[in-house]
Amino acid sequence: EAGVTQFPSHSVIEKGQTVTLRCDPISGHDNLYWYRRVMGKEIKFLLHFVKESKQDESGMPNNRFLAERTGGTYSTLKVQPAELEDSGVYFCASSQKQLWNSGNTGELFFGEGSRLTVL
Amino acid sequence: AQSVAQPEDQVNVAEGNPLTVKCTYSVSGNPYLFWYVQYPNRGLQFLLKYITGDNLVKGSYGFEAEFNKSQTSFHLKKPSALVSDSALYFCAVRDPMYSGGGADGLTFGKGTHLIIQP
Repeated sequence: EAGVTQFPSHSVIEKGQTVTLRCDPISGHDNLYWYRRVMGKEIKFLLHFVKESKQDESGMPNNRFLAERTGGTYSTLKVQPAELEDSGVYFCASSQKQLWNSGNTGELFFGEGSRLTVL
Repeated sequence: AQSVAQPEDQVNVAEGNPLTVKCTYSVSGNPYLFWYVQYPNRGLQFLLKYITGDNLVKGSYGFEAEFNKSQTSFHLKKPSALVSDSALYFCAVRDPMYSGGGADGLTFGKGTHLIIQP
């Protein structure tokens, strides 16, 4: 079974440009999460999809960030225009059920992350 | 709100010695606690979790963690460290009493670099 895949693995762009990150969750996983880790800091929640619906987008930094999950399969995270402080590693994770459901193993399955560097 | 603290940025241990990576948490109710590991150029991998039951939980690669409610801690331990254990370790918490604000997922600590010296 394929794991969570993310693309690109690394992107270097200039301030003001646009970048789109993609995440393919594990097949059949309804829940998809985006997280971001700035160097040396916590891994911070950005948003959560249940199928194609945004369940919680309270972690999105500002309106320069747009996430979509058309059809409830893969998701994209677009940053437009990018700023220096957007640099970091963007992780995607998926799970079949929400964590507190009984019978769930409880963990999120993470991709390898997309490293974004804004110059 | 839920939060996690990993007080050590880096832990250095000689190979063969026991290791401990510290984690403390703050939640409103009874926590769900997790440890994840990130090897270089890889994604986060699940190590172990505490949901309920025995305070000592065992996970992958010989790791274990002890839930201590009175000290609000969930330290990661291993009796004998291997060089291959060198990685970045993240503690995470979910508070079942809390909704919204990312609570459907996990709240992570800053991570602790574990360096095992041969």
